[in-house]
Amino acid sequence: DAGVIQSPRHEVTEMGQEVTLRCKPISGHNSLFWYRQTMMRGLELLIYFNNNVPIDDSGMPEDRFSAKMPNASFSTLKIQPSEPRDSAVYFCASRIAEGRQPQHFGDGTRLSIL
Amino acid sequence: DAKTTQPTSMDCAEGRAANLPCNHSTISGNEYVYWYRQIHSQGPQYIIHGLKNNETNEMASLIITEDRKSSTLILPHATLRDTAVYYCIVSYTGGGNKLTFGTGTQLKVEL
Repeated sequence: DAGVIQSPRHEVTEMGQEVTLRCKPISGHNSLFWYRQTMMRGLELLIYFNNNVPIDDSGMPEDRFSAKMPNASFSTLKIQPSEPRDSAVYFCASRIAEGRQPQHFGDGTRLSIL
Repeated sequence: DAKTTQPTSMDCAEGRAANLPCNHSTISGNEYVYWYRQIHSQGPQYIIHGLKNNETNEMASLIITEDRKSSTLILPHATLRDTAVYYCIVSYTGGGNKLTFGTGTQLKVEL
């Protein structure tokens, strides 16, 4: 079975550019999460969706970050404009939003802002 | 969500059982204990979770103390491929199952 698919796997861009990260959750999963991992702060939850609706975006660092989920099989995390401190590995995870079902993670996007 | 405490690092000989402890003394009655691991450069991988009973699956066993203030993840026959950072997380599933990752335990399995 296909797991959570993220693209691109690696992204290198210059500061000020717009960055779009993409995620395809596991089919049938109706809850989706975006995380960021850095050496300094570890793994942090940025935002999560239930049934395509954003539920909690309290972890989004600032207005330069936005996330959308236009349908059940696709989500984007956008950074505009990007800054060097946004360099991190960004993970997407999905789960069935019932009971104690666990989250399943993608392999992440390694983002470097020069 | 309740906070967890784990040792920073542990070593284990290949083929032996790896026992990873976790303290979660402030856990509340409706919070589950989840274990994930992260192998270098990969996304976190779900291992197992439990509420109060011991649990076992094809990857590991989870032993939760009767007072639920601590738990132990057991990898029965550790291999080199089990070298990873192991995270113990307490989460309330009614709140969307948000996961708060700590610093975890770096397990190194050696020959």
